[in-house]
Amino acid sequence: DIQMTQSPSSLSASVGDRVTITCRASQSIDIYLNWYQQKPGKAPKLLIYTASNLQSGVPSRFRGSGSGTDFTLTISSLQPEDFATYYCQQSYSTPSFGQGTKVEIK
Amino acid sequence: EVQLVESGGGLVQPGGSLRLSCAASGFTFTTYWMHWVRRAPGKGLVFVARINSDGTRTEYGDSVKGRFSVSRDNAKNTLFLQMNSVTAEDTAVYYCATGKDGGDSSIFDHWGQGTLVTVSS
Repeated sequence: DIQMTQSPSSLSASVGDRVTITCRASQSIDIYLNWYQQKPGKAPKLLIYTASNLQSGVPSRFRGSGSGTDFTLTISSLQPEDFATYYCQQSYSTPSFGQGTKVEIK
Repeated sequence: EVQLVESGGGLVQPGGSLRLSCAASGFTFTTYWMHWVRRAPGKGLVFVARINSDGTRTEYGDSVKGRFSVSRDNAKNTLFLQMNSVTAEDTAVYYCATGKDGGDSSIFDHWGQGTLVTVSS
């Protein structure tokens, strides 16, 4: 099974900040890495798929990059509605998720 | 519009069983793999199970292998998760999800609202 490790597990940031979350796979997954946002009481929402493709309707301030084992989600200018928990997920083989990164208000 | 509506959650005793359902509409159900994902309180998302379009192939997460069984009724556009021998660690919100663009995709672009399963005596 492929293990996914995110860092940090939580972070505090202010509106307007640039935020970066990293995700590492235990083996190469090519570009088969997806990012989700989840808010309390809501279902997860797909943000980025296959490492760098922006899902329809998702603001362009969200950007994904990486390949192989190392990936990054960047939010260029944090907005109030972006405070949430973010998960990476590999779709290279049987799906697995990172443990999540909670983005909190500073 | 794609809609996924889970049901069947509730309180179940340790060692008991429960059957979850996911009613699907707005897409060609018979051509999509379907998935179950859960989130325990205070924990992250965990893959539970998936099933191919005609129900002949299934895969499970390590934590539920041998206890849970995923199935589907393509005539009724419904996905199921049979949960047996449950423990407190199975307490979670259970989501069904579809893969982007159909087929065997596990890029989850549509999710249900979730159904809460609580395992407690």
